[in-house]
Amino acid sequence: GAGVSQTPSNKVTEKGKYVELRCDPISGHTALYWYRQSLGQGPEFLIYFQGTGAADDSGLPNDRFFAVRPEGSVSTLKIQRTERGDSAVYLCASSSPSREDSDTDTQYFGPGTRLTVL
Amino acid sequence: AQSVTQLDSQVPVFEEAPVELRCNYSSSVSVYLFWYVQYPNQGLQLLLKYLSGSTLVKGINGFEAEFNKSQTSFHLRKPSVHISDTAEYFCAVRPTGTASKLTFGTGTRLQVTL
Repeated sequence: GAGVSQTPSNKVTEKGKYVELRCDPISGHTALYWYRQSLGQGPEFLIYFQGTGAADDSGLPNDRFFAVRPEGSVSTLKIQRTERGDSAVYLCASSSPSREDSDTDTQYFGPGTRLTVL
Repeated sequence: AQSVTQLDSQVPVFEEAPVELRCNYSSSVSVYLFWYVQYPNQGLQLLLKYLSGSTLVKGINGFEAEFNKSQTSFHLRKPSVHISDTAEYFCAVRPTGTASKLTFGTGTRLQVTL
């Protein structure tokens, strides 16, 4: 079946502009995660959705970052007034955590969106 | 809170040689442990995971890892590497008990040469 998809694959924008990054999770997965991976670093958690609601947004760096998942499927990460420091690969993952110790709780990652802020 | 340390940023190895990628973690609660691989310009792919039971876990592509609770380690091993194993490897943990975020290490670049 189809995996997690993310669009666009690459986004170049200018400092101060607004951007939206989209994530399409695996069909039926109720949990969705956003991570950010800076050059030479491991992915860092941003936000986690369970269904339509944000269960944990403790990783969002500041109020310029916002994410939504209005119908419990597709999610959009929104960044206002972009800064050069926002340049990174933004990763999305989804899982189906019906049982905490089952394979269904594995997080499956998309290919990421590479954001470059000039 | 959890943290993951991957001390080796790069590991060069010849093809068909064995390799070990080190991972240590710190956590005040019980955790599950994971290894992910990232090939160039691709997303993260799960190699293996430890949830409970036997501390020796086997994964895809001939990799295995051993959970050592007393040393808070989860080192990844392969007895004989191939050129195609060249990639970035990430160790990650997350608390048990509920679905939640992964905490990743900074990664180890495995470079396999002839």
